[in-house]
Amino acid sequence: SQTIHQWPATLVQPVGSPLSLECTVEGTSNPNLYWYRQAAGRGLQLLFYSVGIGQISSEVPQNLSASRPQDRQFILSSKKLLLSDSGFYLCAWTSIGGRGNTIYFGEGSWLTVV
Amino acid sequence: GENVEQHPSTLSVQEGDSAVIKCTYSDSASNYFPWYKQELGKRPQLIIDIRSNVGEKKDQRIAVTLNKTAKHFSLHITETQPEDSAVYFCAASRGGSYIPTFGRGTSLIVHP
Repeated sequence: SQTIHQWPATLVQPVGSPLSLECTVEGTSNPNLYWYRQAAGRGLQLLFYSVGIGQISSEVPQNLSASRPQDRQFILSSKKLLLSDSGFYLCAWTSIGGRGNTIYFGEGSWLTVV
Repeated sequence: GENVEQHPSTLSVQEGDSAVIKCTYSDSASNYFPWYKQELGKRPQLIIDIRSNVGEKKDQRIAVTLNKTAKHFSLHITETQPEDSAVYFCAASRGGSYIPTFGRGTSLIVHP
């Protein structure tokens, strides 16, 4: 069966420090991969998505970036964090199918920028 | 692109009552409509879904209905329990590499 893991689960980072969140999917190949962010009590904001290795599309201009170095690995990064980057970050994946995509989320990473 | 509207943003009910959450979508080519439940501090999890060739689907106390003509779909929860309290998200998507579009979420509160 397919599984998705992301880490770390929780982190507290000072303003201006770098960030790296990692996500891996197992049990499938060539998935679509996504990074979402949730501010407290808010909806799901799509940050990045990828349809293949090295292929990244950004939905929102910001100081974050994403990379996909391997088929089932997706990384969210920042060189310098802002206070507004605090939130709950969710990695997700879907299989590329012809009848609509079921999206599955990782456990999430709580980021607090102080 | 697809646009999904979800209402209400907050829904408060007494235990045992029914709860209905409604979503509308704009892209007539959307053919898959999942619903997710997100408990506080946890990831959204799929609870039920419906495809465009079906008008209704039930799973115990949860049901989803789809009206393709009107382009809206609804989540129905009967005999609500306190553990149903969570944020619920609807979504609409097409096949292939199209990105699912989520509604803004409904916070359901079930009072004991």
